[in-house]
Amino acid sequence: AQSVSQHNHHVILSEAASLELGCNYSYGGTVNLFWYVQYPGQHLQLLLKYFSGDPLVKGIKGFEAEFIKSKFSFNLRKPSVQWSDTAEYFCAVTHPSGSARQLTFGSGTQLTVLP
Amino acid sequence: EAGVAQSPRYKIIEKRQSVAFWCNPISGHATLYWYQQILGQGPKLLIQFQNNGVVDDSQLPKDRFSAERLKGVDSTLKIQPAKLEDSAVYLCASSEQGPTGYTFGSGTRLTVV
Repeated sequence: AQSVSQHNHHVILSEAASLELGCNYSYGGTVNLFWYVQYPGQHLQLLLKYFSGDPLVKGIKGFEAEFIKSKFSFNLRKPSVQWSDTAEYFCAVTHPSGSARQLTFGSGTQLTVLP
Repeated sequence: EAGVAQSPRYKIIEKRQSVAFWCNPISGHATLYWYQQILGQGPKLLIQFQNNGVVDDSQLPKDRFSAERLKGVDSTLKIQPAKLEDSAVYLCASSEQGPTGYTFGSGTRLTVV
């Protein structure tokens, strides 16, 4: 079974600092990878996704992620965070074949950005 | 495009009571999922429907949880009887067929006391 590890449970940064959140998955085959964000009191929103092609994926709100197949990683980055980026971030993976495209989520990383 | 609708937003019940949650997916989305998100954890799949058929319910505690998707549109998730450890946010999501992302609803926050 596939699993997703997010090693940073809580990250605290000051505004304008650079961000990198780690995500590793354990599945040897082809995967689709996602980063979701959950702002306080709101629903999960898709930040970006990787299916194939360029391993550097750009998403909304200035976020990007790099798929490194050899490291089974899909780390999320942002060069300069804002106070409004305070939220919980979830990495997720799914196996693209067949109809059972279930998302397996990591445990999440709480990001707090200090003004 | 309307999103995935869920109700109620919040529910507080006593243990051993029953509760039901409702989900209306995005029009035309054949696949519907129910996830459970316990505080401090990522969402965990409970059950997946394709139209009105169950694709995977291997992680659904069937002694107390049940779900249905009659007519392949709306879905309900029921817990009977509830336990303290069922306190969580219950998320509904839907997706089109093919390699696209999900759309999540806002969830129902259940507190069992």
